[in-house]
Amino acid sequence: KAGVTQTPRYLIKTRGQQVTLSCSPISGHRSVSWYQQTPGQGLQFLFEYFSETQRNKGNFPGRFSGRQFSNSRSEMNVSTLELGDSALYLCASRTTGTLPGSPLHFGNGTRLTVT
Amino acid sequence: AQTVTQSQPEMSVQEAETVTLSCTYDTSENNYYLFWYKQPPSRQMILVIRQEAYKQQNATENRFSVNFQKAAKSFSLKISDSQLGDTAMYFCAFMKHVSDAGGTSYGKLTFGQGTILTVHP
Repeated sequence: KAGVTQTPRYLIKTRGQQVTLSCSPISGHRSVSWYQQTPGQGLQFLFEYFSETQRNKGNFPGRFSGRQFSNSRSEMNVSTLELGDSALYLCASRTTGTLPGSPLHFGNGTRLTVT
Repeated sequence: AQTVTQSQPEMSVQEAETVTLSCTYDTSENNYYLFWYKQPPSRQMILVIRQEAYKQQNATENRFSVNFQKAAKSFSLKISDSQLGDTAMYFCAFMKHVSDAGGTSYGKLTFGQGTILTVHP
């Protein structure tokens, strides 16, 4: 079974631009979550999607948004990029349903650098 | 809100020896799940072990085991017979049990700051 696939692996953008990151979950996984990882703040939850609806949201400004498609693939968008948005963005998928506490399976991440 | 604390920023161990990584957490929830993930230099977060809070029995996965003390809110990871491939950043994580009216469960992880483990030959 293929794992979680994130594209691209690396991105370099300029302040003020916007960026879209993509994530394909493990086949059969319907929940997709996004996390931001920085040396200073560690791993922080951005949002979780299930059935094309955002189910949970972290404490990030509205410049961070996401969506999920009918095939469970997800995209994350960051508008008006700031230097502080430079980070590793991790996508994770998990099974949902009646099995609570099922673990998240992570992709390799997208390294975003804002200059 | 939940918090997860890993008090050891860095640890090192000799190959074949045993090492224990510490984790404490703070929550008012009674039903939750705890995880250890490892993140090697390749940066992919890999699940090491999972523990359900309502189970008293400590989880084990081959060379990896946990010491779960619910009353003390402690969740340490023991790695036996350490191998060079165990070198990685290890994260302790907490997931609250959340379900909607339809029974679908959701899961947001709260991570600790991580412990860098180096295994020396």
